[in-house]
Amino acid sequence: ENVLTQSPGTLSLSPGERATLSCRASQSVTNTYLAWYQQKPGQAPRLLIYGASSRATGIPDRFSGSGSGPEFTLTISRLEPEDFAVYYCQQYGSSTWTFGQGTKVEVK
Amino acid sequence: EVRLLDSGGTLVQPGGSLRLSCAASGFTFKNSAMAWVRQAPGKGLEWVSTIGGSGDSTFYADSVKGRFTVSRDNLKNTVYLQMNTLRVEDTAVYYCAKLQWPSPDYWGPGTLVTVAS
Repeated sequence: ENVLTQSPGTLSLSPGERATLSCRASQSVTNTYLAWYQQKPGQAPRLLIYGASSRATGIPDRFSGSGSGPEFTLTISRLEPEDFAVYYCQQYGSSTWTFGQGTKVEVK
Repeated sequence: EVRLLDSGGTLVQPGGSLRLSCAASGFTFKNSAMAWVRQAPGKGLEWVSTIGGSGDSTFYADSVKGRFTVSRDNLKNTVYLQMNTLRVEDTAVYYCAKLQWPSPDYWGPGTLVTVAS
């Protein structure tokens, strides 16, 4: 199983600041198969980024994804109040899907 | 507009069975792989199962293999998750999701399954 480790566990920032979230895989991940999701309390996850760097429909351009191989990054250029949430990375490989444990972005 | 409505969650005793359903609309259902993902209370996301568009290909997490069965009815635009021999650790909100291969791009609101005596 390809284990995804996200860091940090919690990120405390203020609105307007830049957020950088990391996702490291225990085995190499094909870029096409790496995605990022946002989840707010009581809601289903929302796809933000697919293929490591492509924004999903309707996602603001302050969200960007980058990286390759085992190391990927989600960047939120300037945090808006609605961006405080939990973020998960997810990969597909060998007919299995795995999620990272999540990074919580909270208001400082 | 893509819509997914998952249902069927309830309280069930350990060892019991339950079938979840997910009704889909707003896209060509038969062309889309579908998945089930669960989230235990206060925990992260865990992939459960995926089924291909025709229903011929199915995949399962090790934690549910042999106990859960995913299926679909392309005439009813519905995907199912039959859950047998349920355990306390299967307690979770279960989400169905449409795949923009291979990533889930639309999710249902979730249905809560509680396994307890």
